[in-house]
Amino acid sequence: KQEVTQIPAALSVPEGENLVLNCSFTDSAIYNLQWFRQDPGKGLTSLLLIQSSQREQTSGRLNASLDKSSGRSTLYIAASQPGDSATYLCAVTGTYKYIFGTGTRLKVLA
Amino acid sequence: EAGVTQFPSHSVIEKGQTVTLRCDPISGHDNLYWYRRVMGKEIKFLLHFVKESKQDESGMPNNRFLAERTGGTYSTLKVQPAELEDSGVYFCASSQDRAGARGGPRAKNIQYFGAGTRLSVL
Repeated sequence: KQEVTQIPAALSVPEGENLVLNCSFTDSAIYNLQWFRQDPGKGLTSLLLIQSSQREQTSGRLNASLDKSSGRSTLYIAASQPGDSATYLCAVTGTYKYIFGTGTRLKVLA
Repeated sequence: EAGVTQFPSHSVIEKGQTVTLRCDPISGHDNLYWYRRVMGKEIKFLLHFVKESKQDESGMPNNRFLAERTGGTYSTLKVQPAELEDSGVYFCASSQDRAGARGGPRAKNIQYFGAGTRLSVL
């Protein structure tokens, strides 16, 4: 049974810091890994999707890596801003359903 | 192109009442999924439709929950009667293909999520 864990559960950093969010999964037989952000009271915003054959994806200040063999992914946020404050979720996919982690609540202080 | 649409965005009901949530997937997407996040827990899968057929409803918590997708277009999720522990955010997602689908290149199962319906049972 696939389980997804995210560490840390919460993180508070001063503006401008570079930071790393971690996601681990127990079954390496995945098709995709996707990072989302969720703002309070809002839906899910897809940030980056890494297909199983890929090692990383980049979008602006965000970089996500995937190591299937070790069951790990990291989301790197460069030069953090107060607008980055949100809950970050990772999800792995099999043939259809997504399995989500519990998320990391990030607060970037101005 | 319109994304996945869910309504209502927020519903407040009393314990014992009935609530129906609706999801309109992206046009042309055969796969439709329901997920929910209850307080303090991760988002969990509820069920999966392919067109109008239920492919997997293993995540449905109990028989108070009924999902339908008549005609293979929009879907409804009815909770009857609602209980306090049903409070949470209900997400709908749709995808064009599922990974490993036959008949062509490996499909990628990229799901697009709606904004969710926040259900509060008092």
